[in-house]
Amino acid sequence: KAGVTQTPRYLIKTRGQQVTLSCSPISGHRSVSWYQQTPGQGLQFLFEYFSETQRNKGNFPGRFSGRQFSNSRSEMNVSTLELGDSALYLCASSEKTVGSNLEQFFGPGTRLTVL
Amino acid sequence: AQKVTQAQTEISVVEKEDVTLDCVYETRDTTYYLFWYKQPPSGELVFLIRRNSFDEQNEISGRYSWNFQKSTSSFNFTITASQVVDSAVYFCALSETGGGNKLTFGTGTQLKVEL
Repeated sequence: KAGVTQTPRYLIKTRGQQVTLSCSPISGHRSVSWYQQTPGQGLQFLFEYFSETQRNKGNFPGRFSGRQFSNSRSEMNVSTLELGDSALYLCASSEKTVGSNLEQFFGPGTRLTVL
Repeated sequence: AQKVTQAQTEISVVEKEDVTLDCVYETRDTTYYLFWYKQPPSGELVFLIRRNSFDEQNEISGRYSWNFQKSTSSFNFTITASQVVDSAVYFCALSETGGGNKLTFGTGTQLKVEL
């Protein structure tokens, strides 16, 4: 099976702009989660989607949003970019069974730089 | 609230030495899952192991072994006969059944294996 893919791999934006990142999960995986990785804050959970519904959300401002499509592909959007949004954004997918948290498989990430 | 502590920021060893990476976690849930991930310089997080809270059996996979002790809330990872290719950042993570697939990561341990 192909792994998790993320596009684009690199992105440079300026403050105030908005950005959309895309994630295609492993075939058959219905759960998609997003994480932000920065040198200062480490790996932080953004949100999780399952069957097109947001199941869980981390402690990020409303500028960070996401969605999932019927084919399980997911996008995340950051509006009004700030310098502090510069980070590696990682997407992860997993199968989902009731009452059991399975391993998540990560994509290569999108490196976002805000100038 | 859940928390994962990896007190070792950086470890340097010489090839063929054994090395243990420490992980201590905090959770109020009785059912939870623990994970280890490896992040090589390429940046992609690679899944290594998943363990649920009811299974305290230690596990060995090749040169890798994991020691899970609920009494001390620890889930330590040992690499036997380390190799240069083991050089990476290693993350311990926790997810609770009530939190969907949300992973709470430790700050990571940078392992450097030198010749």
